[in-house]
This record gives sequence, structure tokens and C-alpha cells, in this order.
Amino acid sequence: RKEVEQDPGPFNVPEGATVAFNCTYSNSASQSFFWYRQDCRKEPKLLMSVYSSGNEDGRFTAQLNRASQYISLLIRDSKLSDSATYLCVVNIGGYGGATNKLIFGTGTLLAVQP
Amino acid sequence: SAVISQKPSRDICQRGTSLTIQCQVDSQVTMMFWYRQQPGQSLTLIATANQGSEATYESGFVIDKFPISRPNLTFSTLTVSNMSPEDSSIYLCSVGGQGALRDNEQFFGPGTRLTVL
Repeated sequence: RKEVEQDPGPFNVPEGATVAFNCTYSNSASQSFFWYRQDCRKEPKLLMSVYSSGNEDGRFTAQLNRASQYISLLIRDSKLSDSATYLCVVNIGGYGGATNKLIFGTGTLLAVQP
Repeated sequence: SAVISQKPSRDICQRGTSLTIQCQVDSQVTMMFWYRQQPGQSLTLIATANQGSEATYESGFVIDKFPISRPNLTFSTLTVSNMSPEDSSIYLCSVGGQGALRDNEQFFGPGTRLTVL
């Protein structure tokens, strides 16, 4: 079983749609969680850290369910510029520790259509 | 976040040769890492570059193949040795976030796109 699993997509949605990505992780000791965005031929860029209480940043909402080891990302009112690969990322190192290891999912491709 | 640069941005190399990739950060950072992203794949951690000591390698990666230097808190190099076509990949360095709340975030350099013929 992969340590971080995502639906690879592609998700083809019209502009203005709401789209949700899901991710599961296998290491129950994981402490911190992230969504990164990667555009074609570019490096991954941190989109959001995901906190236990869930968090929102504009059109983006991230949720964490530790009991189910499940992370989600919701994008409202999709824009053409949201087209990218979204990477679910888990840090198994915990906060403030010497270990700081990111495990990446394979990514979910989003294509927002005009 | 820190500004991270990598050199070269891309290269095409012959099999059997070696390439050294440089990663420069505009501020001192505690944690630096090297990742590989093979075509169509996600990122895989190669090693953690430790300042003043040997790098910590992940399973499947060894020092003889991927020697790493970290002479100070702003610079690291990754060498891909005795290259084969299977080493064709994007190599990315990253740095750990600064500050108590951002310890576990990482920020990536632009990557080095390597093609081995």
C-alpha cells in the first residue's frame, strides 16, 4: 500500500465549479499535512498546510480527519489558473523534531475548462 | 520564504559521466533536502543534507551514487555519479521552513532537469 494515496484524475471541470480532492495516508504517526500545487515543468509550491481544525484560504478549504487518516482539499469557484497538479503531502517527522521527511502522493491533475 | 536557486537548470549528459547540481539559498536554513522526480512520477526524497556531517540517505539511495555536500547553511550540492538513462529525472532541492510553526513545511528550488543519453 502506498504511504500517500490520491486519485490521479484528471478532473476536468468547467470554470466556476466546485471540485474536491481526497487523499489517504497510511502512517498513523504522521503529524503534519500539506497540499502543494505543481504546474507543468515547475517545482511544487506550498498551497496550504492542513491543520486538525481544518483551514480555509479564500476559495480553498482543507480538512483533516485523523481517525480516518484522510485529507481533503476543496476548491470553490474554479478558475482557469487553478489548472495544475495538486499534491497531497504528509510529513512523518512531527513538529520541531530532527526528522523532517515529506512523503508525496502521486498528485491529482485538475483541468479547468472555459 | 527563502529564495532558492539551482544550477544548472537543465543538462544533457552522456552515460558514465557525473553531474554536480548546486543549490543556493538566500538565507541560512537548518534543513536542506534533495528530491528526485522521475518522468510522470511524484517526488521522492533522496537524502537530507546535513551541515558539517554526512548526508542521511533514504532507502534505495546510496552515497556512492549520490554524494552530497553541505559546507554551510546556505549551500549544498548533489552529484549524480556514473549516470545511466534511468537517472534522467528532475532533481530538486528544498529547505525547511523557518520558525516554530513552519518547521515542517518545505520550499523547493526550481529544479534541474537532467537527461542522460
